[in-house]
Parts: sequence; structure tokens; C-alpha cells
Amino acid sequence: SQQGEEDPQALSIQEGENATMNCSYKTSINNLQWYRQNSGRGLVHLILIRSNEREKHSGRLRVTLDTSKKSSSLLITASRAADTASYFCATDTGRRALTFGSGTRLQVQP
Amino acid sequence: DSGVTQTPKHLITATGQRVTLRCSPRSGDLSVYWYQQSLDQGLQFLIQYYNGEERAKGNILERFSAQQFPDLHSELNLSSLELGDSALYFCASSVVGETANEQFFGPGTRLTVL
Repeated sequence: SQQGEEDPQALSIQEGENATMNCSYKTSINNLQWYRQNSGRGLVHLILIRSNEREKHSGRLRVTLDTSKKSSSLLITASRAADTASYFCATDTGRRALTFGSGTRLQVQP
Repeated sequence: DSGVTQTPKHLITATGQRVTLRCSPRSGDLSVYWYQQSLDQGLQFLIQYYNGEERAKGNILERFSAQQFPDLHSELNLSSLELGDSALYFCASSVVGETANEQFFGPGTRLTVL
């Protein structure tokens, strides 16, 4: 089974709205990373948050991490049509390999 | 453009055949990772190489093998192909072998087994 599970599986919003997606994981982590994938293309790294951090910002992205609940959230503010993609969380558990969740498909309607 | 290149972009072959996928990491990156992405299994880690040596193994089948060459490019060999091997295969690279660093993904090779 996946280490990380994203919620919701799919999300459709209007341009300008905020998009929030969540990731839950099962075991202790060193860090958690979020990636974006445009349809059929390679993944693009968005942001990394370490286990001792609670919140991190990068442009319109805000990531939170709650290690007690084993969960993370990715917030995209003022979304744009170009943000339409699948978003994956990936956990680093110290085994030298990232474990990816099942992803959230985000559709931003212009 | 991540700087990671993969060839070929598309590959169509028949069951029982053998194929080789190639990956060139970003300049300066020593670590290469292979992933398989399919509709039913999601994105699965297969194997990692660091500076020519196998560093970590994931859900890689015995029919699959990989290697990293002295010039740091890597090849993933898939043999005795089955219909279920149809998937997108991604290569990623990072500066060092530890996953604390972000990984840079190539555009992928789409394998179709008929």
C-alpha cells in the first residue's frame, strides 16, 4: 500500500480560488516533498519540508506538516489555469527512496 | 526542462521481448533513480544507483535490471515483457544519494506492450 495518500483524489476549482490538498502517511519521515505532474510528463519538485518544520512557503504555495497526525497539506493560493496538474506528496523515510502517494488531480477552470 | 534526458520517448513492443531504456542525469548529479508509473500501481520506486553502484532497491521485478555507467548515464533493462509492464518509466537524478535532496525527473519513456 502507498505510504502517502492524497485527499481528495480530484479537485475542480475556478481560477482565482485557493486549492488545498492533503497527504497522510504511515511511518516516521525525515522529510516530505510535493511534486507536480502535468499530464503524461515528468514530475517537477515544488517544495520540501523537513520533519522538524511545521510550515513552509514558496511563492503561491504553502505547505504544512503535522508529524503527530502524520499529515501534510499543500495550499495553492489564487490558482491559475496553468496550475492544472496532478500533485503528489512523497515521503523520505530514511530508506534512500522516496515513496509517492496516489496524487490529487487538480483542474482549474478559467 | 529538468536537465534529465530519457530515450526513447515511446516504445511499442510485444510480449516476451526485451527493451532497454536510457537515462542521462543532470550534469553533476551522481544519483539516478528509476520509477514506474501505471494507472493501477501509481508511482513506484524501482531502483537507485549512486556513482555507479546500486544504492537502494524497491519494487523491481527479477525480470528487470539496471546499471549506471562510468559516465553516470543509466540503463533500465526490461525482459520477458508482459502486458502489465505497460507503463511510464521515469528516471530522476539528484546531486547526492540521500533523498533529502530534491529529485529532478526526466520526461519519461512510455512503454506499451502488445
